[in-house]
Amino acid sequence: SQKIEQNSEALNIQEGKTATLTCNYTNYSPAYLQWYRQDPGRGPVFLLLIRENEKEKRKERLKVTFDTTLKQSLFHITASQPADSATYLCALVGGANNLFFGTGTRLTVIP
Amino acid sequence: GAVVSQHPSWVICKSGTSVKIECRSLDFQATTMFWYRQFPKQSLMLMATSNEGSKATYEQGVEKDKFLINHASLTLSTLTVTSAHPEDSSFYICSGGTSGKGEQYFGPGTRLTVT
Repeated sequence: SQKIEQNSEALNIQEGKTATLTCNYTNYSPAYLQWYRQDPGRGPVFLLLIRENEKEKRKERLKVTFDTTLKQSLFHITASQPADSATYLCALVGGANNLFFGTGTRLTVIP
Repeated sequence: GAVVSQHPSWVICKSGTSVKIECRSLDFQATTMFWYRQFPKQSLMLMATSNEGSKATYEQGVEKDKFLINHASLTLSTLTVTSAHPEDSSFYICSGGTSGKGEQYFGPGTRLTVT
């Protein structure tokens, strides 16, 4: 079965710096990959989707890369703010459009 | 747009009773709805996928007779946890998707505590 790992359970960075989160997967070749934000006690909120034929996707301060050879996606938040503190989840899309989530990285931006 | 609601937001029930959780897409038609379970400090685990008017497809290890899913309309799906046990205590989250699009819109979740 597919395995999705986000290699940092927690990441602390200083306000204004760029946060980089990693998602690695095995035993699967997803057509696309998504990133979500989840705040405590809340459902995830969709952030970005990137297709297998796209190398990079941007949305405001967010940037996602997708390397199908390395089976890895990187998620960047530039000029980070304390309000960006949350858990970020990557998800692979299955054949029935169902999602398989990674373990999540809890990001804390320190003022 | 793309708002999904869940009701109730939290529920406490006694062991052996059944609990129903509703999931509604408020401003779009969800051809497919998904149910997830999330234990503390863990990621979301997909339980089942349901298409409107069809039987749900359950993930391996999820008992379909225990977790009854009904997707009677394009805006409503329900999950009934039957004969609940303390180990069923968890955060249950639904999401809705539209055909052809990969992104899903998640509800706020329902915290179930079985005593």
